[in-house]
This record gives sequence, structure tokens and C-alpha cells, in this order.
Amino acid sequence: QKEVEQNSGPLSVPEGAIASLNCTYSDRVSQSFFWYRQYSGKSPELIMSIYSNGDKEDGRFTAQLNKASQYVSLLIRDSQPSDSATYLCAVNTNTDKLIFGTGTRLQVFP
Amino acid sequence: DAGVIQSPRHEVTEMGQEVTLRCKPISGHDYLFWYRQTMMRGLELLIYFNNNVPIDDSGMPEDRFSAKMPNASFSTLKIQPSEPRDSAVYFCASSFGTDEQYFGPGTRLTVT
Repeated sequence: QKEVEQNSGPLSVPEGAIASLNCTYSDRVSQSFFWYRQYSGKSPELIMSIYSNGDKEDGRFTAQLNKASQYVSLLIRDSQPSDSATYLCAVNTNTDKLIFGTGTRLQVFP
Repeated sequence: DAGVIQSPRHEVTEMGQEVTLRCKPISGHDYLFWYRQTMMRGLELLIYFNNNVPIDDSGMPEDRFSAKMPNASFSTLKIQPSEPRDSAVYFCASSFGTDEQYFGPGTRLTVT
């Protein structure tokens, strides 16, 4: 079983819609959770971090964490074509390391 | 802040040659990570350092790979000899503490 799982996509949403990206993890002791955005040919860019259950909002982005269900999600409101990228979920399992999922490719069409 | 700096950005070399990738972490960060990314395997952690000391190199694929961090502002990843299957994008990332990692622009390595 993979430690961090994401649907590879592509997830296609129309401009202006809400994009919902999901991630599950296997290690119950995980404490820190991150979302990275990676444009094609570029490096991963940290966009959100979340440490406690519930929602965390930053502009058009909302991260949601449910430790009981071992589930973390990223909502992108008012999706724009510029949001088209691969979104990587990363989890810190109480070690020095982040475990990355394989990423979900998001396509926002006009 | 300039962010994490990597060089070269692109490297094309022939099989059997030595390749050295370089990284300058963000000033003040105490962790440095080397990753490799391919379409097939995604983002893989190769090795990481804390305060210039290698902590975990279990991701280094073979003895052909080695990494050093002689001081807080410089690290190298060396492949000797290189093979075509080493072709990938190599990222360096740094962090203060163990959480939010910031990635450099990467080095795209092609071994022919």
C-alpha cells in the first residue's frame, strides 16, 4: 500500500468552478500536511500547509484535514486556466522526511 | 531571498561520464534534501542532510551516487559513472526544521 495516494487525473473543471483534489495517507501518526503545485517543466511550489483538523483558507485555496479518516483535500474556488498544473500532496510522518503522492493533474478549461 | 539555487539547469552527458550537480540552500535553513523526479517513479527522495550531516541516504539508488555538504551553503550530488537510466530532473530542497520544504528550479539531466 502506497503511503500517500492521489488520483492521477486528469481532473477537468470549467473556469470558475470549484476544483476538489483529494489525498489519503496510511500512517496515523502523521502530523503535517502540505500541498504543492507543479507546473509542467517547473519545480514544486508550496501553496498550503495544514497541521490540525478542519479547514484552512488562503485566498482561493482551502485545505481540509480529517485525521480520523486519514484524508486531506485541497479546494480551489473560482478555478482559472492558470491553475492548470499537477498538485502534489505531501505528508510528514513524524520523521524528518516528507512523503509525496504521485500528484493529480488539474486542467481548467475556459 | 534568492531561494534555493541549483546548477547547472541542464546537463547532457555521455554514458560513463561523471556528473556533478550543485545546490545552494536558502540561508538559515538547516535541512537539505535531494530528490529525483521521473514520469515513471514520480518524486523520490535520494538523501537528506541536517546541519550538513547526512541523515538518511537510503534512497540513493546505487554506489554510483554520492552526495556531500561541506558547509551550510553548498551541497553536491555526484553520479559516477552515469548511465542512461539516470536521466531525470534532480531537485534540491531546503527547510528550516522538518516541515515546509522549498524547492530549487531543478537540473534536467540527460545521459546518452
